[in-house]
Amino acid sequence: QITLKESGPTLVKPTQTLTLTCTFTGFSLSTTAVAVGWIRQPPGKALEWLALISWNDDKRYRPSLKSRLTITKDTSTNRVVLTMTNMDPVDTATYYCAHTLRELELSSGYYYHHMDVWGSGTTVTVSS
Amino acid sequence: SYELTQPPSVSVSPGQTARITCSGDALPKQYADWYQQRPGQAPVVVIYKDTERPSGIPERFSGSSSGTIVTLIISGVQAEDEADYYCQSADSGGTYPVFGGGTKLTVL
Repeated sequence: QITLKESGPTLVKPTQTLTLTCTFTGFSLSTTAVAVGWIRQPPGKALEWLALISWNDDKRYRPSLKSRLTITKDTSTNRVVLTMTNMDPVDTATYYCAHTLRELELSSGYYYHHMDVWGSGTTVTVSS
Repeated sequence: SYELTQPPSVSVSPGQTARITCSGDALPKQYADWYQQRPGQAPVVVIYKDTERPSGIPERFSGSSSGTIVTLIISGVQAEDEADYYCQSADSGGTYPVFGGGTKLTVL
């Protein structure tokens, strides 16, 4: 059974750096095609994908936030860490991590991303 | 930046069929997944690879794909299906995930 759990501060001040940890069980981030992604959801708004890290250490970031995001993994402790710099009140959101299957479709050359198991999310408020 | 477009809201009476669309220029080239999100809960996949249904998801959930539009179909809608629904695919280069803006399904 795959489980993921997000942890980190519930309150950060503007301009500070946010560090979130996703701790998972039931799979290995060394397995081909496996990735862990981060997704956020501001209050009352839509889901917004942020970043992912794959089994082979390939990293992808949301283009509009790329300069502020860093994602890393520790396969020995089954953790993925996301850092976001220069936090702003608009970054107030629930942050989710998700087990993701990232498979190259040979027919199209495009990657298929399937976020099949999600953590319960952690709420982060940015306020002074 | 690449976008997936969904209607903000869909309303149906119990027992009717709900259809939620998602449009995107790259959809003919790549698969889409659909997620159900109830208030205060994490999203759950209800359809993957356009038309596949995960185990444990009721048979009334199905999906279709035609050109630049994918559709989530809920037959015989029940009160418990009232939720937000999001489509998800990849960007036009097929390298990172993209979510639609979400559709609120109201069961009248």
